[in-house]
Amino acid sequence: KQEVTQIPAALSVPEGENLVLNCSFTDSAIYNLQWFRQDPGKGLTSLLLIQSSQREQTSGRLNASLDKSSGRSTLYIAASQPGDSATYLCAVIDQAGTALIFGKGTTLSVSS
Amino acid sequence: GAVVSQHPSRVICKSGTSVKIECRSLDFQATTMFWYRQFPKQSLMLMATSNEGSKATYEQGVEKDKFLINHASLTLSTLTVTSAHPEDSSFYICSALSGRVNTEAFFGQGTRLTVV
Repeated sequence: KQEVTQIPAALSVPEGENLVLNCSFTDSAIYNLQWFRQDPGKGLTSLLLIQSSQREQTSGRLNASLDKSSGRSTLYIAASQPGDSATYLCAVIDQAGTALIFGKGTTLSVSS
Repeated sequence: GAVVSQHPSRVICKSGTSVKIECRSLDFQATTMFWYRQFPKQSLMLMATSNEGSKATYEQGVEKDKFLINHASLTLSTLTVTSAHPEDSSFYICSALSGRVNTEAFFGQGTRLTVV
């Protein structure tokens, strides 16, 4: 059964720092991997989608990488800002494209 | 990008009543939709997976008779919380998978249910 783990569970950094969030999954037979952001009491916002054939995706200050063989993905946030404070979730979609499995998330706090 | 609309965003109901939450994919057909529940400061918990035209698949520990899921069309899934109790108060989020080739998950904005 696929399991998704995110490390660290929480992270506090001063504004301007570059940071890396980690996501690992136990079954490398995935279809896609997505990174999401969730603000307190709100729904999820999709940040980046990496297809299984891709190695990385970039959007603005965000860069997500995928190493399927080792079951790992990282989300790199450059020059962090207080507005980046949120919970970041990674999720894998299974190879059949019918199951979406989440990690427990990393709660990020960026202080000004 | 694709849009998933979830309604209502907030609902307060009395114990014993039923509440229906709708999840619509506005500009794509979603053969698979997921319903999640989230307790304060905790991660999403998958409740069930619904496929259009068939019965939902519930996760272990989720009561089928309490959380009724209907996925009658390719753009609409509903979750009905029956005979609601205060412990059912939670944040419920739906998600829909788009496409067959470039499957991506899109989420509704969630429904905050408070049972008094």
